[in-house]
Amino acid sequence: EPEVTQTPSHQVTQMGQEVILRCVPISNHLYFYWYRQILGQKVEFLVSFYNNEISEKSEIFDDQFSVERPDGSNFTLKIRSTKLEDSAMYFCASSVVRTGEETQYFGPGTRLLVL
Amino acid sequence: DQQVKQNSPSLSVQEGRISILNCDYTNSMFDYFLWYKKYPAEGPTFLISISSIKDKNEDGRFTVFLNKSAKHLSLHIVPSQPGDSAVYFCAARGKGAQKLVFGQGTRLTINP
Repeated sequence: EPEVTQTPSHQVTQMGQEVILRCVPISNHLYFYWYRQILGQKVEFLVSFYNNEISEKSEIFDDQFSVERPDGSNFTLKIRSTKLEDSAMYFCASSVVRTGEETQYFGPGTRLLVL
Repeated sequence: DQQVKQNSPSLSVQEGRISILNCDYTNSMFDYFLWYKKYPAEGPTFLISISSIKDKNEDGRFTVFLNKSAKHLSLHIVPSQPGDSAVYFCAARGKGAQKLVFGQGTRLTINP
């Protein structure tokens, strides 16, 4: 069964450093998403991406975040200057279409720890 | 953001019995609802969904009920199995929107 994959599974970084989280969505999916879950809190939407453009973003997704689809298979989330409060589990998801009765399928997550 | 609430942080059920997980929402613009299951160190796994034009959807042991007037949905698992022990998240999406809004999750434990 096709699945979303994410690398790395864990990342430890120093505050102020840049990190890039990588995702390979399901191959025939066209819409891509990033969510995060801070320990003990809800899963929160960050951004959605379609046709090489951001299609929706939350207030969390400020100028320190960016997303990119550098090639036909990868989808990345970059955090330019990490803060302590960026420590969280980051989930990538993908879907075939955007809305209607369409399910978003999630990857296993990257646990980011900012020291 | 309390638009989707799961008021029970945990639930314990005997194997073979019915598990009922509840979810309430406040935003009347939500028109699609999903349940995800999550094991530790894994991502949310899709279980079942329901559109706001329906009041029930079944898939094997899983049934989701939607009560629009009460802004309430529930997930029934019957019979419950030990492998069902996980955290269950309710999520909702507004019409025309892309983002899913999640509840806090309910930890379900199935006892042998």
